[in-house]
Amino acid sequence: KNEVEQSPQNLTAQEGEFITINCSYSVGISALHWLQQHPGGGIVSLFMLSSGKKKHGRLIATINIQEKHSSLHITASHPRDSAVYICAGRDNYGGSQGNLIFGKGTKLSVKP
Amino acid sequence: DVKVTQSSRYLVKRTGEKVFLECVQDMDHENMFWYRQDPGLGLRLIYFSYDVKMKEKGDIPEGYSVSREKKERFSLILESASTNQTSMYLCASSFFWSPLPGQGEVDNQPQHFGDGTRLSIL
Repeated sequence: KNEVEQSPQNLTAQEGEFITINCSYSVGISALHWLQQHPGGGIVSLFMLSSGKKKHGRLIATINIQEKHSSLHITASHPRDSAVYICAGRDNYGGSQGNLIFGKGTKLSVKP
Repeated sequence: DVKVTQSSRYLVKRTGEKVFLECVQDMDHENMFWYRQDPGLGLRLIYFSYDVKMKEKGDIPEGYSVSREKKERFSLILESASTNQTSMYLCASSFFWSPLPGQGEVDNQPQHFGDGTRLSIL
């Protein structure tokens, strides 16, 4: 079964720090998604990438296909970045083609 | 902007009740999904649908059913609610994902999520 592993599970940072959240996935997963979930529940898609690097504002996502690893970086972190960040891989196998397999999430708290 | 609307943010029901959770999307998406999210377990797929009247079981379909009578609406039904179904339920939608590479721009479309329904079964 395809799997997605995230680390760390919890992360506390001071405002302004550079933050990295890691995601590793097994064979058969492509198109990594990074999602953000704020307290209250709503989930927002931040990035979807299958190769290279994408940047949006202070957020950067990278993926290394050979190592089956993706990272989400936040530069100049701010308390409003506090949220749960979820990595999800698109399952390429069998009858579940196209479905997402989710990591358990990284809870980020940025202190002022 | 894509809008995925779930009918309730918070819902309290009793054991044994039949519970309906509704989800509506306004972007003509073919795919719709129902997940539940529990602490320590992350998001788990309950059911999904690739077209009207179509449904497929996800990873944890037991105790649930779904209905997709119209393209924009995907309903999750708890046939006889139990306390272990207390959870956060999230609906999502996306354009159709083509399984064959090179078949147009619809490949790798993101899923758009609703705000979630926090369901408590007493």
